[in-house]
Amino acid sequence: GENVEQHPSTLSVQEGDSAVIKCTYSDSASNYFPWYKQELGKGPQLIIDIRSNVGEKKDQRIAVTLNKTAKHFSLHITETQPEDSAVYFCAASRSSARQLTFGSGTQLTVLP
Amino acid sequence: SQTIHQWPATLVQPVGSPLSLECTVEGTSNPNLYWYRQAAGRGLQLLFYSVGIGQISSEVPQNLSASRPQDRQFILSSKKLLLSDSGFYLCAWKQSDTQYFGPGTRLTVL
Repeated sequence: GENVEQHPSTLSVQEGDSAVIKCTYSDSASNYFPWYKQELGKGPQLIIDIRSNVGEKKDQRIAVTLNKTAKHFSLHITETQPEDSAVYFCAASRSSARQLTFGSGTQLTVLP
Repeated sequence: SQTIHQWPATLVQPVGSPLSLECTVEGTSNPNLYWYRQAAGRGLQLLFYSVGIGQISSEVPQNLSASRPQDRQFILSSKKLLLSDSGFYLCAWKQSDTQYFGPGTRLTVL
């Protein structure tokens, strides 16, 4: 089955700096890669996703890149703000899969 | 639009007591439904998933069970809670590739 590794487990950045979180996956047939943001005491929220036919996707300050050859994908947050502080999870799956495989999460702290 | 509800939001139960957590989804039909548990500061552990009414797949053997009596209702149960059952329980629904989570239930077993 699929295995997703996520790094780093914790990340602290100064407000205004960029943050990058990286994930690798094992199943070369995986073709869907979502990212979730979980604030304290709340359920994870989907913030961006990418499919394997696209190499990069942007949504305002958030971008995701995908390298199918190396089987890794990354979340980039620019101009970080204190409200970006949360736990971020990556995930991967095949289109036909019944479930997502999640990474272990990254605690991002944006220091004012 | 689709929405997902979980209740209760918080629950404190003694060891050995029963448990029933409920999840309902609105605005969609025949979704895949999931129960996850999250220990403090940890990742997402998939407990059960369901692809249809009465169809339950268990990912982790334990003293919990799940049922899907209606298309958009998913219930997590236990006959006797253990201390180790404490955690944050999340329900999720999925159609095609995208999965959405509910607000969660914080369970504390004392």
